[in-house]
Amino acid sequence: ETGVTQSPTHLIKTRGQQVTLRCSSQSGHNTVSWYQQALGQGPQFIFQYYREEENGRGNFPPRFSGLQFPNYSSELNVNALELDDSALYLCASSLEQGAIGELFFGEGSRLTVL
Amino acid sequence: GQQVMQIPQYQHVQEGEDFTTYCNSSTTLSNIQWYKQRPGGHPVFLIQLVKSGEVKKQKRLTFQFGEAKKNSSLHITATQTTDVGTYFCAQTTSYDKVIFGPGTSLSVIP
Repeated sequence: ETGVTQSPTHLIKTRGQQVTLRCSSQSGHNTVSWYQQALGQGPQFIFQYYREEENGRGNFPPRFSGLQFPNYSSELNVNALELDDSALYLCASSLEQGAIGELFFGEGSRLTVL
Repeated sequence: GQQVMQIPQYQHVQEGEDFTTYCNSSTTLSNIQWYKQRPGGHPVFLIQLVKSGEVKKQKRLTFQFGEAKKNSSLHITATQTTDVGTYFCAQTTSYDKVIFGPGTSLSVIP
């Protein structure tokens, strides 16, 4: 497998709540990207972290935030959940900043907002 | 913003038939990546193309990058049921992030 692990695998929240999703990158990878994938669509880029700093953001509101830790693990936080936030959230690690090589994806966290 | 388009959106083929998906951009791409996502799974990297006119093969899969670096294609010869899934092309943006196309969903009828 890819060596990228995500938790939890599934969770259910209600509108207005907050959620934290976690990702452990593949060993040696210092860059992590987060994607949102709604049913039947391609992964949508949320943001990327490189050496603990946000390095690029897609078209997502500020209530989507993240962190990267010194061991390169990462968190995605979503505040004030909305029904449309229901999706598969994918974490992908890569060896270096910049897409000069492949992304290694985790299995994803499937979030349902009721 | 920059985005790639893919056609077709869906393709149903009889096992043994060939399959092709196309990825098109209005702007010149620095490179193109292809990923496969099985139903219920996560995207898995297949290949990266960088050079104009590049052609790469992986067993029954052939990947091409257009001469103008504005399009790419993935061709599968003699499809098998294991080829079922969604195939995404992905571009690297000017700020070095990987942005995915909408994908082509392939169904293979045994």
